[in-house]
Amino acid sequence: DAKTTQPPSMDCAEGRAANLPCNHSTISGNEYVYWYRQIHSQGPQYIIHGLKNNETNEMASLIITEDRKSSTLILPHATLRDTAVYYCIVRGGAQKLVFGQGTRLTINP
Amino acid sequence: DSGVTQTPKHLITATGQRVTLRCSPRSGDLSVYWYQQSLDQGLQFLIHYYNGEERAKGNILERFSAQQFPDLHSELNLSSLELGDSALYFCASSFIAGALDEQFFGPGTRLTVL
Repeated sequence: DAKTTQPPSMDCAEGRAANLPCNHSTISGNEYVYWYRQIHSQGPQYIIHGLKNNETNEMASLIITEDRKSSTLILPHATLRDTAVYYCIVRGGAQKLVFGQGTRLTINP
Repeated sequence: DSGVTQTPKHLITATGQRVTLRCSPRSGDLSVYWYQQSLDQGLQFLIHYYNGEERAKGNILERFSAQQFPDLHSELNLSSLELGDSALYFCASSFIAGALDEQFFGPGTRLTVL
């Protein structure tokens, strides 16, 4: 599975959009981009995934660049409850999830 | 609530002991995954079972073993415990075993080895 690079921490004001970047320059054609988050020490929570098209669900939007070497997770109206560590994971044929260090997102009131 | 349950929530034990962590997957899910989260190693995949059979192994020590029972619940056995085994242990489940499967995580078991 390709390796990902994320900033270690980010801040965002409550009510604003939080944009979390992820670089995955070695991603191959059949690998998907997944996002999970972990609030405090709870179990990780699935957010969204995509292959090459932009995706949106009730939690977030995922924007993948045309060359697929990077992506951005967008939380459109961040709330305090969105404070968490966000993990960008590139996943191919393996069932396991390979977690990096993630981005610690802090939503400020 | 993900629908995945793990017991116990907390476990405190001594070095050299053996413990068993239990996981019940979401209703209908056939795959169970175990992950370990320690301060220095982050979240690491340990092992994956699908419908009672071992499918993949990660960084699981020989002192650790797991199994999935006919009712699909799983147990992770940790023996000859060392201080470094102190960590959060998460179980996750998914319906099948494909790469597109969303994994649902349980609340975890916090193991403290003194």
